Amino acid sequence: AQTVTQSQPEMSVQEAETVTLSCTYDTSESDYYLFWYKQPPSRQMILVIRQEAYKQQNATENRFSVNFQKAAKSFSLKISDSQLGDAAMYFCAYSSYAGNMLTFGGGTRLMVKP
Amino acid sequence: DAMVIQNPRYQVTQFGKPVTLSCSQTLNHNVMYWYQQKSSQAPKLLFHYYDKDFNNEADTPDNFQSRRPNTSFCFLDIRSPGLGDAAMYLCATSTRTASTDTQYFGPGTRLTVL
Repeated sequence: AQTVTQSQPEMSVQEAETVTLSCTYDTSESDYYLFWYKQPPSRQMILVIRQEAYKQQNATENRFSVNFQKAAKSFSLKISDSQLGDAAMYFCAYSSYAGNMLTFGGGTRLMVKP
Repeated sequence: DAMVIQNPRYQVTQFGKPVTLSCSQTLNHNVMYWYQQKSSQAPKLLFHYYDKDFNNEADTPDNFQSRRPNTSFCFLDIRSPGLGDAAMYLCATSTRTASTDTQYFGPGTRLTVL
């Protein structure tokens, strides 16, 4: 079974600064998807970024980028130019290529200081 | 806009009184999921439908049932809610193609059990 670990329960960052959230996972599969989801307080969970394991290039979405290290089974999220609206719970998640079940990490609560 | 809708957003029920939560989607996705999310925890998958095929997670209590009368709608029935069932219930949808293997979440229904 796959497991996803987020070792930082809470992080804080100053507005306009850069922060990196860590995620490691364990799997025996070679093809899979990795995701970062954002869940603001009392609001719905939304997809921030996704990475296909067969792609070597790291995914980027505007201020959000990942550092995908397949051999190390590491998938960190970098948020550049942090904004107050980035404050949320961030979940790292894994999905097998053949199926579509999401295995979530425990989450990292990100606080953004003005 | 295509979306995932959950009703009601807040539900209060009494201990042991059956309750039904609903989810609808305009995305025409094959797969619909129900997750339970307790405070400050990761979502936990209860079950999912692939079209009309129902898939129950092994550790989902029998107290939880689901119905999917058509592609657009899915219901979560809690037959005899206990205090431990108080949580946020998230509905999500996805296709199951390799290129669009992303789950889209509704805003959730927060269930309180008195």
